[in-house]
Amino acid sequence: GEDVEQSLFLSVREGDSSVINCTYTDSSSTYLYWYKQEPGAGLQLLTYIFSNMDMKQDQRLTVLLNKKDKHLSLRIADTQTGDSAIYFCAESIRGNTGKLIFGQGTTLQVKP
Amino acid sequence: DTEVTQTPKHLVMGMTNKKSLKCEQHMGHRAMYWYKQKAKKPPELMFVYSYEKLSINESVPSRFSPECPNSSLLNLHLHALQPEDSALYLCASRGSGNTIYFGEGSWLTVV
Repeated sequence: GEDVEQSLFLSVREGDSSVINCTYTDSSSTYLYWYKQEPGAGLQLLTYIFSNMDMKQDQRLTVLLNKKDKHLSLRIADTQTGDSAIYFCAESIRGNTGKLIFGQGTTLQVKP
Repeated sequence: DTEVTQTPKHLVMGMTNKKSLKCEQHMGHRAMYWYKQKAKKPPELMFVYSYEKLSINESVPSRFSPECPNSSLLNLHLHALQPEDSALYLCASRGSGNTIYFGEGSWLTVV
């Protein structure tokens, strides 16, 4: 079946690195995504990775994919207070429909 | 431009009302989606439109009726809703490389 799991909460100090982890079960996943949601707002696409890649870097963001273990992580370097939000991991399944299965979301708290 | 625009941002409606949520994108995307998000939960897919045709309905009650008038617009018509339908309704569209962009959402309260 389709299932995506994330830890619910992460607290870091400003300037530290944050690592948010995600595991998924569907081996047919083609794309994996990270979205950020601030209070009262929609979902902001941060980055995504194709399943045949193992790493993608975009400025302060690094995504690592371990396809064997079905494990995805998002590292945020030099975390700022503005990074405080809920971060959702999502997998795209069922061929090319673009249907996303989301994890429960990780609340990132950044302390000054 | 990666913008998906949703209106209204907030909507309060009675259980006997008929209202609509609107979504617009001008990125040339040919797949558009409606998701529903309850408080402190992840979004859940409701409908998928591909090339203006409904391709997926995730067993959504008929009191929600989607419509895709053209490739840039997606509507969600609401009728005889229940208080438990109160949620954030998110529209999304899919571009090249499977990038999926969401709008800011419409907060719906059913009284």
